[in-house]
Parts: sequence; C-alpha cells; structure tokens
Amino acid sequence: NAGVTQTPKFRVLKTGQSMTLLCAQDMNHEYMYWYRQDPGMGLRLIHYSVGEGTTAKGEVPDGYNVSRLKKQNFLLGLESAAPSQTSVYFCASSYGDRLVQPQHFGDGTRLSIL
Amino acid sequence: KQEVTQIPAALSVPEGENLVLNCSFTDSAIYNLQWFRQDPGKGLTSLLLIQSSQREQTSGRLNASLDKSSGRSTLYIAASQPGDSATYLCAVAGNQFYFGTGTSLTVIP
Repeated sequence: NAGVTQTPKFRVLKTGQSMTLLCAQDMNHEYMYWYRQDPGMGLRLIHYSVGEGTTAKGEVPDGYNVSRLKKQNFLLGLESAAPSQTSVYFCASSYGDRLVQPQHFGDGTRLSIL
Repeated sequence: KQEVTQIPAALSVPEGENLVLNCSFTDSAIYNLQWFRQDPGKGLTSLLLIQSSQREQTSGRLNASLDKSSGRSTLYIAASQPGDSATYLCAVAGNQFYFGTGTSLTVIP
C-alpha cells in the first residue's frame, strides 16, 4: 500500500537550474497539494489541484509551476532555482477538500539550492 | 490571518508519564482542527481530526480536545512510550489551512 510517493528524496541544485518533483498517489484522491516546510514557519501551501487538469495557487506560489495531467500524478517544477527555495517539499492528497477531509502525506523531498 | 501557535517547542518526559500538548489559534471560525505526527525525515501522519461541532476525539492512548471559544486545543497522550517521540503539529482548517510549527516530543526510556 504505497499511498503518496515522492521522487526524488534528495536533490542538490545550483542556482538557475531547473527541476521537477514528482508526486504519485494510488488512493484515487481528487485533491493534491504541494507544501514547503521551513524551520520556524510551519508548512505553507505552494499550489494545489482539485482534480485532473486543474491547478490553483496557494500561499507561496512564486517561482513554482505545477501540472496535473493525470489524476494520480502532481508535478512541481522549479524553472530557475534560487537559494530561497532550499526547503523540504511535501506532497499530500485527500479524497475531498482538505478543509474537511484528512490529508495523506508523502515522505518529502529535501532540496538544497547552492 | 489565522495564527496557530504551539508551546512549548520542545518537551522531554520520562516513559510512562501522561502529557499534554497545546495548540492555540486566533480565529474561531474554523471547520476542524487536526493533529499530525511527524517522524524525522518523514511526512505527516494524521492522528485525529476534530470537527468544529465536536469537543473531543479519541484514538487509543490519544485524546484531543477543542475549545473554539477560547481558541485552544490539547492533545493528551496517556502512558507515554519511547515510540511516541516525534514532532506533533496541529493544523486549523478555516478559509485556508494553517499549520502550527510543532512541538518536538522526546520520551526518555
């Protein structure tokens, strides 16, 4: 029972490089989310999706793009990485709106931008 | 904007003790409050979800209470075990979803 799987688990990038983080869920959830977790700041929502083909901005969307071409996958892209994007990134999914349904989280991607 | 605060940031207790973790929030217009556990290097695991109309929820040795009027929630852990060592986060669902910064719990054998 995989749940929510994130790849890669770790990555080091140089400033200006681009990369894509992949999130896959096998629970047939409609809603998917990308968060970043920084010391002393709690988790903050970057982007989210309420279904296949939809995306929406969260609290801190600048510098990131997302796509949800398939229901089970939610991709987070960094077009030109900056040191301020060094963080731990978590993907989550939920059956319904996270405001009323529990979320299931992946184990995170630890990203360092040099 | 909703502010969610968890104090203390860290807590150490000997094995077997009962303990209480605190969560406070500034806006009482919420749908629910959730408690999560986060182990080092791992994601969050949902422990308990309390709807705004409820006063408490229980799961095994865990009991979470909610007092919307005072903007407070507590997570009670009975007979703590070393395996309970983790960071515990609360999150409030209102017009948005707001996380606290967590309490790091260490249970000493």
